[in-house]
Amino acid sequence: GEDVEQSLFLSVREGDSSVINCTYTDSSSTYLYWYKQEPGAGLQLLTYIFSNMDMKQDQRLTVLLNKKDKHLSLRIADTQTGDSAIYFCAEPGGTGFQKLVFGTGTRLLVSP
Amino acid sequence: NAGVTQTPKFQVLKTGQSMTLQCAQDMNHEYMSWYRQDPGMGLRLIHYSVGAGITDQGEVPNGYNVSRSTTEDFPLRLLSAAPSQTSVYFCASREGTGVGNTEAFFGQGTRLTVV
Repeated sequence: GEDVEQSLFLSVREGDSSVINCTYTDSSSTYLYWYKQEPGAGLQLLTYIFSNMDMKQDQRLTVLLNKKDKHLSLRIADTQTGDSAIYFCAEPGGTGFQKLVFGTGTRLLVSP
Repeated sequence: NAGVTQTPKFQVLKTGQSMTLQCAQDMNHEYMSWYRQDPGMGLRLIHYSVGAGITDQGEVPNGYNVSRSTTEDFPLRLLSAAPSQTSVYFCASREGTGVGNTEAFFGQGTRLTVV
């Protein structure tokens, strides 16, 4: 079955770059997602990447996909205190994409 | 456009009580789902629905029931609450399941404590 793994914590200083890593198991995933959860809130889609891409850049966010190693990363440039949140990697799951399979989430703490 | 609305935001139940978590969306999305979020375990799918009148089980369906009588509403029922159901519950909706329907919209969550 599908499985998505992430490290639990990451601490960086304001202005540094943050890199959040994720490994997944389903090589047939057509696209992979990053969601952001701020304290007390639901999940918000941050960005996604199609499996035929190696990289996607969106302002301060860069997503890198290594299909051979089934490794996905999210880089946040010039990290701000407002970026402190939990970041979830997710892939489609089930036949016909009935569900999203989420990683455990990485809690990013940005200190001034 | 309200998106996905969940009620209540917080709830405390005694073991054995039943209750219904409400979820409504106003985006005319066919696909709706319920997840529970537990520390260190990410989100796990409880039940989902691909349209009115159609529901199916996810990874952790035991102790929960759902129904989908309208496109807009997808309530989650706890039949007899247990402390193991203490969690944060999220409802989500998506336009469909095909390629291109990538974004799932999530509600704000319901924090449930069973004592």
